[in-house]
Amino acid sequence: AAGVIQSPRHLIKEKRETATLKCYPIPRHDTVYWYQQGPGQDPQFLISFYEKMQSDKGSIPDRFSAQQFSDYHSELNMSSLELGDSALYFCASRKRGETDEKLFFGSGTQLSVL
Amino acid sequence: AQKVTQAQTEISVVEKEDVTLDCVYETRDTTYYLFWYKQPPSGELVFLIRRNSFDEQNEISGRYSWNFQKSTSSFNFTITASQVVDSAVYFCALSERGKGGGYQKVTFGTGTKLQVIP
Repeated sequence: AAGVIQSPRHLIKEKRETATLKCYPIPRHDTVYWYQQGPGQDPQFLISFYEKMQSDKGSIPDRFSAQQFSDYHSELNMSSLELGDSALYFCASRKRGETDEKLFFGSGTQLSVL
Repeated sequence: AQKVTQAQTEISVVEKEDVTLDCVYETRDTTYYLFWYKQPPSGELVFLIRRNSFDEQNEISGRYSWNFQKSTSSFNFTITASQVVDSAVYFCALSERGKGGGYQKVTFGTGTKLQVIP
């Protein structure tokens, strides 16, 4: 069965650079979530989209922006990168309204800011 | 606001021992979902179980079992006869119903690192 696809798997950037992370949800899933997990930390919710509209917002810095496109894939854009942005970024998807509300996670993008 | 507490930061057990991971949650909603995820050293988040707040029946899946006690807001996870492959960080999580009716973001606990020693 198809899973949530995230790209790239690993990304190395320098301070003040920009980065774009991509997420392809499971087919027919209409809701996408972004999480940030720092080293040794629990995943922290950043932002979510439902039907291409932002549905909830967490601790996402103003330097970050995200959107969900017509094909339901989502991109997290990160600008003016800082050392503290080094983390594992997870994308998750679900199909709202179905009885199974399980959140499916991608394998994550490991971002290293040097 | 919702909150998930996993008081055990790290646990070490010898292979074949049983181990219980504690999870206590806070929520103002009467309808919510509870989850357990496993994060092995490779980093991915692996779904283990989802429990509806209306379903307090305990569940067993192989060596895994879960004890949901709504009265004490706890959702504990027990691994029986632990194995080295069980070594991972385990996260308990909570999802509440959002304003639009759908379940919104998942709030994770801080995780419990389990080390199973051969």
